[in-house]
Amino acid sequence: DGGITQSPKYLFRKEGQNVTLSCEQNLNHDAMYWYRQDPGQGLRLIYYSQIVNDFQKGDIAEGYSVSREKKESFPLTVTSAQKNPTAFYLCASSMSRSYEQYFGPGTRLTVT
Amino acid sequence: AQSVTQLDSQVPVFEEAPVELRCNYSSSVSVYLFWYVQYPNQGLQLLLKYLSGSTLVKGINGFEAEFNKSQTSFHLRKPSVHISDTAEYFCAVLPPGGADGLTFGKGTHLIIQP
Repeated sequence: DGGITQSPKYLFRKEGQNVTLSCEQNLNHDAMYWYRQDPGQGLRLIYYSQIVNDFQKGDIAEGYSVSREKKESFPLTVTSAQKNPTAFYLCASSMSRSYEQYFGPGTRLTVT
Repeated sequence: AQSVTQLDSQVPVFEEAPVELRCNYSSSVSVYLFWYVQYPNQGLQLLLKYLSGSTLVKGINGFEAEFNKSQTSFHLRKPSVHISDTAEYFCAVLPPGGADGLTFGKGTHLIIQP
């Protein structure tokens, strides 16, 4: 059963700690994306990757980092430099020449 | 750069009534257009998309949207809503090339009243 998995669904961290959110896809998609969702703000692009070992900053990349060592995986690290990390994080993927993005179920991160 | 405006943050509608959710976009180049739906605490599901061709696009769950280039709009419609349509709806655009991220509107919360 193909799809995108994100784990965990809920994550709690203390301020000042780095935290890594997992995103795995078995759709054989080349491109992967990370979005952040805040209430009433829609979704904003954090990072995206079109191929392995390559990624680009989105609109709000400050305080985040990513890696793309495998085609199936695109983990996002929320660093202590991110001033307001509490949010709902969504991972997506698409075929490189397709325009439809498929979304995972999301991870809700709470930092206190 | 692109931007998307969803004019209504909340739309209350009675069950079995028609609904229209409005979306306007701004872009210096042609874009592809999408509507996604999000149920509480879940990811996004694609309702429909416009890439080219017929300006009237039909999607899942009885939804349809019409692309109007002169008005830069892509409004979503359903002739008769059901209680299960209660959700957040997002309009999004994508620049040509397809590999970059989507630009989303802020969303419209559709509330179905019995």
